[in-house]
Amino acid sequence: GQQVMQIPQYQHVQEGEDFTTYCNSSTTLSNIQWYKQRPGGHPVFLIQLVKSGEVKKQKRLTFQFGEAKKNSSLHITATQTTDVGTYFCAGTASNTGKLIFGQGTTLQVKP
Amino acid sequence: NAGVTQTPKFRVLKTGQSMTLLCAQDMNHEYMYWYRQDPGMGLRLIHYSVGEGTTAKGEVPDGYNVSRLKKQNFLLGLESAAPSQTSVYFCASSYVGGQGYRPQHFGDGTRLSIL
Repeated sequence: GQQVMQIPQYQHVQEGEDFTTYCNSSTTLSNIQWYKQRPGGHPVFLIQLVKSGEVKKQKRLTFQFGEAKKNSSLHITATQTTDVGTYFCAGTASNTGKLIFGQGTTLQVKP
Repeated sequence: NAGVTQTPKFRVLKTGQSMTLLCAQDMNHEYMYWYRQDPGMGLRLIHYSVGEGTTAKGEVPDGYNVSRLKKQNFLLGLESAAPSQTSVYFCASSYVGGQGYRPQHFGDGTRLSIL
């Protein structure tokens, strides 16, 4: 079936280090969304990418959508303890219209 | 503005019992969703609705039923609870339109344990 794979599953970094999570789809996506879930909380929408090769920034966060619209990445520069949480990507499959969530990457930041 | 409200927040059931989880949204969203979240499994879609009076199966619908009698409410029912249904349940809602799914707004979740 259609899948969205996210790697790594877990990442531990020292505060100030950079962090990247990758999202790869088995099928072309119409769009991709990114969500953040703090420990014990609920997913919160961060951003949506629609165009091939699109890059968007939110302060220290940089989001990219691949040229083939089958992969995406989230990069955090100089992590802070407030970045702790699980980051999910979610893509709409172009052929079925279904929304598929990745398994998430859990980020731990050591102060 | 409450957004998406889920009740109850916690519940413990015995195997075989039934219960209904309630989701209410005040954003006039057309789409509503029910997910379950288990460790290492991400978010899995149980059922969803694209409008009042309509429902559709998601990825893991077995053992659950849903109803959307009013636009603002989406109910998730467990007819005969099983320990495998122990999970955190999230409701979400979104507008419709544009390319692909619109951003979803999630409730705080219901933590359900089946003994």
